[in-house]
Amino acid sequence: GNSVTQMEGPVTLSEEAFLTINCTYTATGYPSLFWYVQYPGEGLQLLLKATKADDKGSNKGFEATYRKETTSFHLEKGSVQVSDSAVYFCALSGPQAGTALIFGKGTTLSVSS
Amino acid sequence: DVKVTQSSRYLVKRTGEKVFLECVQDMDHENMFWYRQDPGLGLRLIYFSYDVKMKEKGDIPEGYSVSREKKERFSLILESASTNQTSMYLCASRPWGEETQYFGPGTRLLVL
Repeated sequence: GNSVTQMEGPVTLSEEAFLTINCTYTATGYPSLFWYVQYPGEGLQLLLKATKADDKGSNKGFEATYRKETTSFHLEKGSVQVSDSAVYFCALSGPQAGTALIFGKGTTLSVSS
Repeated sequence: DVKVTQSSRYLVKRTGEKVFLECVQDMDHENMFWYRQDPGLGLRLIYFSYDVKMKEKGDIPEGYSVSREKKERFSLILESASTNQTSMYLCASRPWGEETQYFGPGTRLLVL
């Protein structure tokens, strides 16, 4: 079945460092891929998404490219800020239309000044 | 903006109590979901509903039930709360034909 594997955290960076959070997936068909972010004490918010191979999703300086050949959707940001400290979840659409998203276990990012 | 609200941010209950967690969305979405979030386990789907009075089991439905009497409201019920149900509970909604889910702020439940 469909599944998502994320790099384990926590990831600890200094402000302005480069960020990569790895995400790989297993899926039948052609799922859509998502990154959600959860700030402390809040629910999940959609950060970006890509719906087909080679699409690049981007938002707030974050980017991720849908790579079908490597079944990956790695999240990157060129220069992180303290305010980016959060938990990041990679997700993909379920195997059938109308089903729930399938989430990775989440990666905690902590950015210090 | 889509708004998904949950009735409580924090809840403390006793073992054996019946617990109701309420979720309301204001965007006429057909699909609604309940997840629980635990450290190291990520989000796990408990139940979802694709229409009024319709429900489907997710990955971990044991010990839970749901109710969807109105389109905007999806309730999660713990029939007899146990300490292993201490968790963060997240509700989400999604319109038919879209894949993006919209989440509420979560309810942190402590069962003593």
